[in-house]
Amino acid sequence: EPEVTQTPSHQVTQMGQEVILRCVPISNHLYFYWYRQILGQKVEFLVSFYNNEISEKSEIFDDQFSVERPDGSNFTLKIRSTKLEDSAMYFCASNFNRELPYEQYFGPGTRLTVT
Amino acid sequence: AQSVTQLGSHVSVSEGALVLLRCNYSSSVPPYLFWYVQYPNQGLQLLLKYTTGATLVKGINGFEAEFKKSETSFHLTKPSAHMSDAAEYFCAVSDRGDDKIIFGKGTRLHILP
Repeated sequence: EPEVTQTPSHQVTQMGQEVILRCVPISNHLYFYWYRQILGQKVEFLVSFYNNEISEKSEIFDDQFSVERPDGSNFTLKIRSTKLEDSAMYFCASNFNRELPYEQYFGPGTRLTVT
Repeated sequence: AQSVTQLGSHVSVSEGALVLLRCNYSSSVPPYLFWYVQYPNQGLQLLLKYTTGATLVKGINGFEAEFKKSETSFHLTKPSAHMSDAAEYFCAVSDRGDDKIIFGKGTRLHILP
């Protein structure tokens, strides 16, 4: 069964540092997403990406965040200057058909801890 | 705006007992409704979905859920709990034509021997 992979599984960083979270979506998928879950809270949509452009972003996704598909296989989320409140589990997802959101495949997540 | 409310952040049931995880949603039009399961150190896995048609939907591992429009609910049930059902369960909604998924806070299901 195809799967979305994410690295690293756990990232610890100091406040103010830049972090890059990496995802490898399923190979024939066209739509890519990042979600996050702060401990004890709900999973929240951050951004969707298609055809090398952001399709939609939430209010959480401010100028500190950026996404990129640098090489046709990886999909990355960069946080420019991390804050304590960025500590969360970050999930990547990918899909072939955006009309079928339930076809989004999720990765196992990266736990980001900002100290 | 869409939202999802899951009642109970932790639910404990005995092995063999009925599992009932509650979910209510808010949406301006009939949405797609989902339940996801997350086992430790794994990603979110789709358990079942409601898109259209029959309001009682069956998923993997013996779970089912019923879409009740009048109650704006989509509760998840399983007649007989198994130890392997211990996990976190997320109810979610997506508007038709929109690809972002709105999740609830999740319910951690504990199975007592």
